[in-house]
Amino acid sequence: DAGVTQSPTHLIKTRGQQVTLRCSPKSGHDTVSWYQQALGQGPQFIFQYYEEEERQRGNFPDRFSGHQFPNYSSELNVNALLLGDSALYLCASSLGAGGLRDTEAFFGQGTRLTVV
Amino acid sequence: GDSVTQMEGPVTLSEEAFLTINCTYTATGYPSLFWYVQYPGEGLQLLLKATKADDKGSNKGFEATYRKETTSFHLEKGSVQVSDSAVYFCALSGMNTGFQKLVFGTGTRLLVSP
Repeated sequence: DAGVTQSPTHLIKTRGQQVTLRCSPKSGHDTVSWYQQALGQGPQFIFQYYEEEERQRGNFPDRFSGHQFPNYSSELNVNALLLGDSALYLCASSLGAGGLRDTEAFFGQGTRLTVV
Repeated sequence: GDSVTQMEGPVTLSEEAFLTINCTYTATGYPSLFWYVQYPGEGLQLLLKATKADDKGSNKGFEATYRKETTSFHLEKGSVQVSDSAVYFCALSGMNTGFQKLVFGTGTRLLVSP
């Protein structure tokens, strides 16, 4: 059973560019959340998708946007990249009703984004 | 807002030593509490969880008890192994939303030497 898969694993972009990161949830899961983990820090919640809609958003600017497809996979888009966007971006999937608060979230290995 | 505070690392121990990693939280009501572990080059894995006061989560020799009175969820293991070397994150999921939004601490790196 494939777990959560993310692509690409590493990415280097220039300031001002746009980037798209991809996530396939664990088989059977219908909810995808995205987190940003800066070096030496804990992950910070960006947003969550369920039934192809954004359910809630963390404290991130509109430059961060997302999408969920009918097969539950998801994309994270970041526009006008800043140096401070350099981080590990983690995707987590879970099951049911937008993800009950004590549900186990399964994380992918992440995409390491470097902005130069 | 909700927050989690963890002891700073790194925590350096010899194999078979006793481990404690402190975690305290601030949240409205009764959040669910989690410990996640991150091995080098990997994503986060759920280690254990507790969903109500006085619950004890346990897995792979690790334990943590949900203490409402002290708003704490300290991680313990009686005898660590070299393979336990990783970064440990304490997290909560608050009850003020109808779905899971994890709030993480900054992580504590554990280094176990033979």
